[in-house]
Amino acid sequence: GQNIDQPTEMTATEGAIVQINCTYQTSGFNGLFWYQQHAGEAPTFLSYNVLDGLEEKGRFSSFLSRSKGYSYLLLKELQMKDSASYLCAVMDSNYQLIWGAGTKLIIKP
Amino acid sequence: NAGVTQTPKFRVLKTGQSMTLLCAQDMNHEYMYWYRQDPGMGLRLIHYSVGEGTTAKGEVPDGYNVSRLKKQNFLLGLESAAPSQTSVYFCASSYSETGADQPQHFGDGTRLSIL
Repeated sequence: GQNIDQPTEMTATEGAIVQINCTYQTSGFNGLFWYQQHAGEAPTFLSYNVLDGLEEKGRFSSFLSRSKGYSYLLLKELQMKDSASYLCAVMDSNYQLIWGAGTKLIIKP
Repeated sequence: NAGVTQTPKFRVLKTGQSMTLLCAQDMNHEYMYWYRQDPGMGLRLIHYSVGEGTTAKGEVPDGYNVSRLKKQNFLLGLESAAPSQTSVYFCASSYSETGADQPQHFGDGTRLSIL
């Protein structure tokens, strides 16, 4: 079967750095996505990785290792508005997204 | 600058009732999707469409039907609602097969409760 694993919940302090991990087992791989979802709102696109390595976008970076079936999202200089759920999704061989259950990130002052 | 619009935002139904959820996008996207999101689970694909007049089943299609008569609209129907269909429903769209420059854009969701 296809599976995406992420921690259920993480807590971090404002101004700090946090790394959210995602491991996957899917039938084929056509890219990995990270989305942010604030409570009661729609998911919004953060990043996409298809090749191994690090992609940086401002305070957010995403890393991929295809051989290990592993990705992480790195958030720097945390702000209170970063409190949200972070969803990892993998595009399989049929070009359909398989979604993780999401990681709820709680930022404390 | 509407993007993806879902109506209604909230609805309470009784078991056995029917209803239609409407999704409209103004980005000229070819691909549209219906997901459900339940606590502790990832988004699950119900049905999707790769263009006007086409529909296909996703991971959890049972109990739902869809139609894509116009490119900008994608309707999700529940013919006989069941309590197991209580969920938050999200519509999404993308220009083509989702890729680096073609992420899926989501609507704000419809919160549906079946009593």
